[in-house]
Amino acid sequence: DGGITQSPKYLFRKEGQNVTLSCEQNLNHDAMYWYRQDPGQGLRLIYYSQIVNDFQKGDIAEGYSVSREKKESFPLTVTSAQKNPTAFYLCASADPTIRNYEQYFGPGTRLTVT
Amino acid sequence: EDQVTQSPEALRLQEGESSSLNCSYTVSGLRGLFWYRQDPGKGPEFLFTLYSAGEEKEKERLKATLTKKESFLHITAPKPEDSATYLCAAGGTSYGKLTFGQGTILTVHP
Repeated sequence: DGGITQSPKYLFRKEGQNVTLSCEQNLNHDAMYWYRQDPGQGLRLIYYSQIVNDFQKGDIAEGYSVSREKKESFPLTVTSAQKNPTAFYLCASADPTIRNYEQYFGPGTRLTVT
Repeated sequence: EDQVTQSPEALRLQEGESSSLNCSYTVSGLRGLFWYRQDPGKGPEFLFTLYSAGEEKEKERLKATLTKKESFLHITAPKPEDSATYLCAAGGTSYGKLTFGQGTILTVHP
């Protein structure tokens, strides 16, 4: 089955620690995205990548970093510089050559930092 | 700056009571208007893409429509299993990026 996997589902960290969230897709999509979702708010774009070895900042990139070394993988690191890291993180992918912008989402990772 | 606003924030319906959710958008060069369903604690599930004003798409009890300024998600004779948050998103001239609304929380009571 094709799809997007995110791991782990729940993640707990102490303040001041960096943490990396995993996102893997086997849909053969070129584009991948990271969003953050807070209660009562829409999805906010953190970073996105249209192609391997290239990525762009989204609207709220401060305190986050990404890499795109493989087409299938787009890990997100939440650094200690992120002031409010506790949130629900969603990864998505899209094939812009077929359905422009039609993004498909993973199940999400809920990060709690105390 | 692209903007997407959804209303109402929350909607409570009785089973069988039809209604509509609204998504107003201000996007330069609309490339697509998207509807997603999100269940608590899960990732959004893709429902529809609309590309041009006048377009309509249907799936079971849901029908999405698009005008030049807004989109509607019509829910006909809803069931309790339709309870979820419905998200609207628009793609504009910033290639590959979507702007999301804050969502409408739909609750359908039996």
